[in-house]
Amino acid sequence: DAGITQSPRYKITETGRQVTLMCHQTWSHSYMFWYRQDLGHGLRLIYYSAAADITDKGEVPDGYVVSRSKTENFPLTLESATRSQTSVYFCATSPVTGTGELFFGEGSRLTVL
Amino acid sequence: KQEVTQIPAALSVPEGENLVLNCSFTDSAIYNLQWFRQDPGKGLTSLLLIQSSQREQTSGRLNASLDKSSGRSTLYIAASQPGDSATYLCAGTYSGGGADGLTFGKGTHLIIQP
Repeated sequence: DAGITQSPRYKITETGRQVTLMCHQTWSHSYMFWYRQDLGHGLRLIYYSAAADITDKGEVPDGYVVSRSKTENFPLTLESATRSQTSVYFCATSPVTGTGELFFGEGSRLTVL
Repeated sequence: KQEVTQIPAALSVPEGENLVLNCSFTDSAIYNLQWFRQDPGKGLTSLLLIQSSQREQTSGRLNASLDKSSGRSTLYIAASQPGDSATYLCAGTYSGGGADGLTFGKGTHLIIQP
């Protein structure tokens, strides 16, 4: 039971490059989320999705793009990476929103040089 | 914007002690509250989920309470063990907030001294 798989776990890239972080779930949960975690800011929501082909912005969406063509996958793309996007990125899922538990992946640590 | 505050930011106690972690929130319209544990370099693991209609939840040595009127939740850890060392985060979901209505505190970094 893999649950949520994030890849890559570690990534170093350069400013201006495009980077895609992958998130795959095996539970068929409706909701999927991308958070970033930074010292001093805690966890902040980037984007979320209520179902396939339905996505919406969170608190800090600028510079990020998401898609969800299949229920199980929710990739996060940094179209032109900046140093301020150096962070740990977490994918999470929930069977329902508001009343349900949130389940997290192991995280992807991204460094932008 | 809702705010969730966790005090203290860090706590170190000897093994075997009972301890309480605090979480306060600004809006009493909280729908549910979750406590998570995060180990270094890992994701968050859900510990307890308290729905708005509940006042507390228990799992093993952990007990979490929710007092909406005072804007507080506490996580009680009984007979602490070194394996309990981790960062503990609380997160509240607000009525009508939808999927983006989950607000996280910044966590309490707990160290249990052997």
